[in-house]
Amino acid sequence: EPEVTQTPSHQVTQMGQEVILRCVPISNHLYFYWYRQILGQKVEFLVSFYNNEISEKSEIFDDQFSVERPDGSNFTLKIRSTKLEDSAMYFCASSEPLAGVLKYFGPGTRLTVL
Amino acid sequence: GQQLNQSPQSMFIQEGEDVSMNCTSSSIFNTWLWYKQDPGEGPVLLIALYKAGELTSNGRLTAQFGITRKDSFLNISASIPSDVGIYFCAGVSGTYKYIFGTGTRLKVLA
Repeated sequence: EPEVTQTPSHQVTQMGQEVILRCVPISNHLYFYWYRQILGQKVEFLVSFYNNEISEKSEIFDDQFSVERPDGSNFTLKIRSTKLEDSAMYFCASSEPLAGVLKYFGPGTRLTVL
Repeated sequence: GQQLNQSPQSMFIQEGEDVSMNCTSSSIFNTWLWYKQDPGEGPVLLIALYKAGELTSNGRLTAQFGITRKDSFLNISASIPSDVGIYFCAGVSGTYKYIFGTGTRLKVLA
């Protein structure tokens, strides 16, 4: 079974610092996503990415957030100046060509902002 | 914004019992999905529904896409301890945006 991988599994940072969360989507997938989940709450959509550009983003995904596919395999989420409320699990996901159903989520990165 | 409300929020059941949970929205969705999330892990897709009225099974799980396209339910028959976890519905808005429900936390008592 193919899988999405994410690093690091846990990131602790000081408020105001920049963080980069990394994801390796499944190799033949073309659609990539970031979601976040604040502890004990629902999974929230952040952004979707296709053909090297953002397809859609939520209100959460403000100017402090950016995504990039720097090479053929990685997909990153950058938070420029972290806030306490950015503490959450961040999940990367990818889906097959023709935007197949979102089946593959990564294991998540737990971000703790102090 | 679009919201999906799930009920119940949580439930305790005895092993062997059937479980039913549902998901409602004020918005219409073209696709409904059900996921299970274990602690510390990402959601795992259980069932996908593509057509209003569709009833789909996956082992002991059965899900239906409501006729109005604003709701869906998930049934688990003969629950076992490993069914414990959080179950999320998700509606697909457009091509790229998946809206998740508030979750139903299931605990199975052996």
